[in-house]
Amino acid sequence: AQSVTQPDIHITVSEGASLELRCNYSYGATPYLFWYVQSPGQGLQLLLKYFSGDTLVQGIKGFEAEFKRSQSSFNLRKPSVHWSDAAEYFCAVGVTGGGNKLTFGTGTQLKVEL
Amino acid sequence: DAGVIQSPRHEVTEMGQEVTLRCKPISGHDYLFWYRQTMMRGLELLIYFNNNVPIDDSGMPEDRFSAKMPNASFSTLKIQPSEPRDSAVYFCASGRPGLAVGEQYFGPGTRLTVT
Repeated sequence: AQSVTQPDIHITVSEGASLELRCNYSYGATPYLFWYVQSPGQGLQLLLKYFSGDTLVQGIKGFEAEFKRSQSSFNLRKPSVHWSDAAEYFCAVGVTGGGNKLTFGTGTQLKVEL
Repeated sequence: DAGVIQSPRHEVTEMGQEVTLRCKPISGHDYLFWYRQTMMRGLELLIYFNNNVPIDDSGMPEDRFSAKMPNASFSTLKIQPSEPRDSAVYFCASGRPGLAVGEQYFGPGTRLTVT
């Protein structure tokens, strides 16, 4: 069965600094990979997705993620963090034949210091 | 285009009472998912539907939980009787073929508190 690991539970960065959130997945074939963001009191919003093609994908709010098959990783990056980026970030994997289900990681809570 | 709509946004009830949560998926989406989120257990998939038919309910915690989707634009999640440990945020999400496998769009959630 597929799984997703987000090794960092909490991350704190200064506003304007760069950000990288880690995500590792376990799946035998090429997965469909997603990053979602959840602001306090809100639902999950899709940031970006990868399912084929260019391994560097661009998303909303200036985020990007790179799929590295050799490392089974799909890390999320942003060159300059804004205070409004403070939220919880979830990595997720969908698999063909899985009925459109997602397997989520446990999330990384991002705090932005001003 | 309206997103996924959930009601109520907040629900406070006493133990033993029946609770019904409602969801309207995005028009044209034929997958509908119910999730529960707690601090202890994170985000859990409870059940999902495809074309109004329940496909996988293995995440439904107990017989006290039931879900229905009478038509393509409406689903309910019912808890009867409710217990304090059911306190959580319940999310509904929808998706459709043609999107990436697993691509889902979430509603704002219903925060349930059972006292």
